Amino acid sequence: AQTVTQSQPEMSVQEAETVTLSCTYDTSESDYYLFWYKQPPSRQMILVIRQEAYKQQNATENRFSVNFQKAAKSFSLKISDSQLGDAAMYFCAYRSALRAGNMLTFGGGTRLMVKP
Amino acid sequence: EPEVTQTPSHQVTQMGQEVILRCVPISNHLYFYWYRQILGQKVEFLVSFYNNEISEKSEIFDDQFSVERPDGSNFTLKIRSTKLEDSAMYFCASSEATGTNYEQYFGPGTRLTVT
Repeated sequence: AQTVTQSQPEMSVQEAETVTLSCTYDTSESDYYLFWYKQPPSRQMILVIRQEAYKQQNATENRFSVNFQKAAKSFSLKISDSQLGDAAMYFCAYRSALRAGNMLTFGGGTRLMVKP
Repeated sequence: EPEVTQTPSHQVTQMGQEVILRCVPISNHLYFYWYRQILGQKVEFLVSFYNNEISEKSEIFDDQFSVERPDGSNFTLKIRSTKLEDSAMYFCASSEATGTNYEQYFGPGTRLTVT
C-alpha cells in the first residue's frame, strides 16, 4: 500500500517570503501522479498543483512550484511571494496510474500560517 | 464556475441511526468519490463510483456503508447504523474522467456528529 508523509505539522512564513512544504511517499509503482491540495478554513479542498511521475520537469503554477525527486520519493511544494490568502492546510496526495478507482492517498497535512 | 455541493452541512445523529449524506457532483462528471476526515487526522478515501458501480473501496467502507446514484444528479452515502467513530467530515468529490488532467473537485463537506 502507498503511504504519504508530511513531516511538518505547522509552518509559518512572513508575507512576501518563500516557504517550502515537504512531502515524501512510499510506493512500489513506477507510474503515478502527485498532487498538492489546499484546504482553507472554509474546508473545501482545492487543487494547487499536480505532477506526473513520468515527467522529469518540475511542475509550476504561478507562485507555486514543486521539487519532484523520484528516486528519493520526495515531492515538496514551494510557495513564492507568500500572501495572506495562502494561509491554509496543505495536503500532499498520491494517485496510482494503474488502479481503476482513482483513489487519492493523502498525507497528514501541514498548516501554513502567513504573518503580515 | 461549476462546483460540487453537499447537504446537509452538519448532521447530528444518535448512535445506531441511519444517515444519508447527499452530494450533487458537477453535471458533466462521470466519476464520484467519498472521503472522510476524522478531526485532526488524515483525509481518507472511502469509495469511488463509476457507471453505477463501485470502482474501488477502502477497508473503511464496510457493510454498514453504501453508495447510490438515485437519479441523474445526486450521489449519496448511506451509513446504516452509525457508531461514535463515524463522527467525521465527509467530503464528496467528482471528476470528469481519469488521468492527470482530470482533477477531483471536492465539495465543502458534511460534518457528521454521532452522539
